[in-house]
Amino acid sequence: QVQLVQSGVEVKKPGASVKVSCKASGYTFSKYDIIWVRQAPGQGLEWMGWISADNDNTRYLQKFQGRVTLTTDTSTTTAFMELRSLKSDDTAVYYCARSRLFDSSGPQFAFDIWGHGTMVTVSS
Amino acid sequence: DIQMTQSPSSLSASVGDRVTITCRASQSIGTYLHWYQQKPGKAPKLLIYGASSLHSGVPSRFSGSGSGTDFTLTISSLQAEDFATYYCQQSYSTPSYTFGQGTKLEI
Repeated sequence: QVQLVQSGVEVKKPGASVKVSCKASGYTFSKYDIIWVRQAPGQGLEWMGWISADNDNTRYLQKFQGRVTLTTDTSTTTAFMELRSLKSDDTAVYYCARSRLFDSSGPQFAFDIWGHGTMVTVSS
Repeated sequence: DIQMTQSPSSLSASVGDRVTITCRASQSIGTYLHWYQQKPGKAPKLLIYGASSLHSGVPSRFSGSGSGTDFTLTISSLQAEDFATYYCQQSYSTPSYTFGQGTKLEI
């Protein structure tokens, strides 16, 4: 079945980096973009960035510019999110999701398949 | 940047109630608006895309409407499994996206 499987729990110290993986299966990886979203404890969803699985173009939320890098490996159908210079308020669940175009007449992109989430805890 | 504001932030209701959640965009976004449901400890699930189209497998008691800046998600008759947090998301500014802050639906 179509699914995204993410890597496991991470515990990091302030200033470190984390790299979360998101392995896709059940569909043609290069035909769908991937987005990353995070959710701090008790908070809402925050879109972090987007990567084209076709040509590796990326777009990031301004607040993460310079600190986050999204990549893909088409040979393993895996997307990656690396976040550097971690701070305590980066503690959150990080989700990857597939971006699907529901109507080609306009930017009708919605996120139809989600990973289960990866808990990243930043603590000294 | 396009800001999305949901109201209310939380809502108490009972099984069988009709419930409406509102999402307002800071500028006109056409019908490029989508709704998600999230239960505690789980990933969000897509309910509605394009403001009013029901995603595959979503019960027909869910409906969406609106265009421009004002949108609503309606649950016609609440079921126990509908108690969750609901988020709207705009894709007008693709590939940059924004979610609303969420509406927690409680018993």
